[in-house]
Amino acid sequence: GENVEQHPSTLSVQEGDSAVIKCTYSDSASNYFPWYKQELGKRPQLIIDIRSNVGEKKDQRIAVTLNKTAKHFSLHITETQPEDSAVYFCAASINTDKLIFGTGTRLQVFP
Amino acid sequence: KAGVTQTPRYLIKTRGQQVTLSCSPISGHRSVSWYQQTPGQGLQFLFEYFSETQRNKGNFPGRFSGRQFSNSRSEMNVSTLELGDSALYLCASTRDSGANVLTFGAGSRLTVL
Repeated sequence: GENVEQHPSTLSVQEGDSAVIKCTYSDSASNYFPWYKQELGKRPQLIIDIRSNVGEKKDQRIAVTLNKTAKHFSLHITETQPEDSAVYFCAASINTDKLIFGTGTRLQVFP
Repeated sequence: KAGVTQTPRYLIKTRGQQVTLSCSPISGHRSVSWYQQTPGQGLQFLFEYFSETQRNKGNFPGRFSGRQFSNSRSEMNVSTLELGDSALYLCASTRDSGANVLTFGAGSRLTVL
């Protein structure tokens, strides 16, 4: 079955810097890649997603890139702010079938 | 509209006991997925129900089971509890079968002593 690896497990950045979180998936048939953000004590919420027919997608300060050949996808956050501090989860699925999540990245943005 | 509701929010059990958790999806959502969240392990997929049928199942032992009712509400049961079952159990709903955009509930935090 699908396996998703996520790195790094923790990431600390200065406010205003960029942050990059990387994920690798195992099943080449996967074609849907969402990212969820979970703030402390809250439930995970979708922040951005990408499908395999697209190489990059942006939404204001966040972007996701997909390399199907290498089976990698990454989340990029620019101009980080303290409110970006949270745990970020990547996930992969086939045709929006069951989502398999990575182990999460705890991002801390220091003012 | 009301979000995904999970009950109970917190519970403490002892080893060997069993527990039942409930999840009411967003009105009109027919698919419910369950995940176990533990530190370091992220969100691990338990199972998904759609129209009262289990559509997908993760790699958990048979002690973990679930069901879905005709009103789309879902329950999961864990029998013969072990210390390692202590976790936050999250359910999420979507309108149709398949993950798509998951709307999560607040979770049920289970502590096994």
